[in-house]
Amino acid sequence: DVKVTQSSRYLVKRTGEKVFLECVQDMDHENMFWYRQDPGLGLRLIYFSYDVKMKEKGDIPEGYSVSREKKERFSLILESASTNQTSMYLCASSGARGSYEQYFGPGTRLTVT
Amino acid sequence: AQRVTQPEKLLSVFKGAPVELKCNYSYSGSPELFWYVQYSRQRLQLLLRHISRESIKGFTADLNKGETSFHLKKPFAQEEDSAMYYCALSANRDDKIIFGKGTRLHILP
Repeated sequence: DVKVTQSSRYLVKRTGEKVFLECVQDMDHENMFWYRQDPGLGLRLIYFSYDVKMKEKGDIPEGYSVSREKKERFSLILESASTNQTSMYLCASSGARGSYEQYFGPGTRLTVT
Repeated sequence: AQRVTQPEKLLSVFKGAPVELKCNYSYSGSPELFWYVQYSRQRLQLLLRHISRESIKGFTADLNKGETSFHLKKPFAQEEDSAMYYCALSANRDDKIIFGKGTRLHILP
């Protein structure tokens, strides 16, 4: 069974804090993605990665960075959290190039106060 | 630019009535199109993709290249169909998926 896990379901942080969101997949997938999900805005791609140590900017990368040191793990980093980064964050993975189905984690609801 | 448009934020349908969730896309090539669904307190998951041409949970979707549409249909709505539905497009074969803003389907008893 396909499994994507995220380190926290709920997270509350203060403005200015550095925040780490972790995502792990056990399917040996090459591609991993980070999205934020906001009501009325749908899913917006923040960053994605096709391979270890590779990263590509998505549509809204400002204020975020990522790290992929191991194939199964993709971390999203908020360098200095701000209130407008309060959102639901979804991680996803997909298999070899050309396999477009993405498998999603349960999400992390981040609140920045 | 590639774009996916779902014109309805919320769609309320009575149980047993037909359902149609609209999706239009903008892409000059041959896209691959999907419908993803998120039930309450569950993770987002793939419902169906156009190349499969299959019916999942009674839902079907036909790609209409002339109208650039990929509407999701079901002849008889069930209460368990209540969920958030996202239409999505994969273009340029780069494994990125562009999602629409979603339509919340609410099935009325």
